[in-house]
Parts: sequence; structure tokens; C-alpha cells
Amino acid sequence: EPEVTQTPSHQVTQMGQEVILRCVPISNHLYFYWYRQILGQKVEFLVSFYNNEISEKSEIFDDQFSVERPDGSNFTLKIRSTKLEDSAMYFCASSSGTSVRSLFFGPGTRLTVL
Amino acid sequence: AQSVTQLGSHVSVSEGALVLLRCNYSSSVPPYLFWYVQYPNQGLQLLLKYTTGATLVKGINGFEAEFKKSETSFHLTKPSAHMSDAAEYFCAVSAFSGGYNKLIFGAGTRLAVHP
Repeated sequence: EPEVTQTPSHQVTQMGQEVILRCVPISNHLYFYWYRQILGQKVEFLVSFYNNEISEKSEIFDDQFSVERPDGSNFTLKIRSTKLEDSAMYFCASSSGTSVRSLFFGPGTRLTVL
Repeated sequence: AQSVTQLGSHVSVSEGALVLLRCNYSSSVPPYLFWYVQYPNQGLQLLLKYTTGATLVKGINGFEAEFKKSETSFHLTKPSAHMSDAAEYFCAVSAFSGGYNKLIFGAGTRLAVHP
């Protein structure tokens, strides 16, 4: 069964450093998403991406965040200058269409900012 | 705007007892509803989903949920709890925004199962 994969599973970084979280969506999917879950809190939508551009972003997704599909297979989330409050589990998801009926989540990357 | 409320941040049941996790939603359009489970230090696993059709939806691991439009509810049940069901459960509703769907999650319910 096809699945969304994410690397690394755990990333530790110092405050102020840049991090790139990587995702490989399911191969025939066209819509890509990042969600975030701060420890003990709800899962929150960050951004959706289609046709090489952001289609929607939440208020969390400020100028420190960016997304990219650099090579047609990977989908990345970059945080330019990490803050302590960026510590969270980051989930990538992809879907074949606009409907969430076809939405699949990856296993997540746990980001720890020290 | 869509929203989800999960009643009870913690639920504790005995092994073999009925599991009932409550979810109420708010949506201005016909909703798609989902239950996800998250085991410790793991990702989100889809348990079941309601999109259209039959209002009683069966999922994995013996769970089921019933969409009740009149009550704006989508409660998750399992007739007999197993120790392995201990996890965090999230209810979610789809939010249609600008042609691109996204999920709005509830705050989660942590299920504990004791012998």
C-alpha cells in the first residue's frame, strides 16, 4: 500500500537555526499539506500546496516558514530561524484530489528546538 | 467556519467495557467527518471516515461511528475495549476553503484501558 514518508523522524536543533523537514508524498498525489501538533495539543493545519504554489496557509505559517517541491518527488517545510515554540510534531499529508477523502498522513517528524 | 468539540479530554474504561468517545461538530456545509488514532510517539492513523451514504460507519480495530445530523454528532464507539486501544483519539471535520479541503481537528481524547 502506498504511503507518505517523512525524514527525519526526530530532529533536534538550536534556537535560531534553520531546519528542513522532508516528505515524500504518494506518487500520483497532487495536493500536499503540512500540519503541526505541539505536545499535548490538537493537530493544526499549517499550509496546503498545489501546482507549485501555496493554496492556503494558516496564521501560524508566517514568514519564517516556507514550502517547496524541489524535484517532483519531495515536499519540504523549511523553518528559517527556529524558535522554542516551534517544537512540535510536524505531519506531512498528500491527496490525489481536493477532497480530504483521499488524504493520507505521514508518520511525522518530531522537531525539538533547544 | 467549521469546528470540532470533543467532550472529555480523558476517558478511562475497563478492559471489555464499552468505549464511547464523543465528538460534536459545527459546519455550514455537509461535512466529511473523520476519527484518527495516535499511539504514543507515532503518527496519525485513520480509524474511519464519513463522507456520504450510510450514516453508520465501520472502521478498523472494531470501531464504528454514527453520523447524526440532527445532533451534529459523530461519536466513536467500540463494544469491548482492549488494552491495545489505549491511545489518543482525534475527531476531525473537513473545512472547504477556496477549493482546497483541509481538516479541522478536535483537541483529542486520551483513552486509558485498565484491567
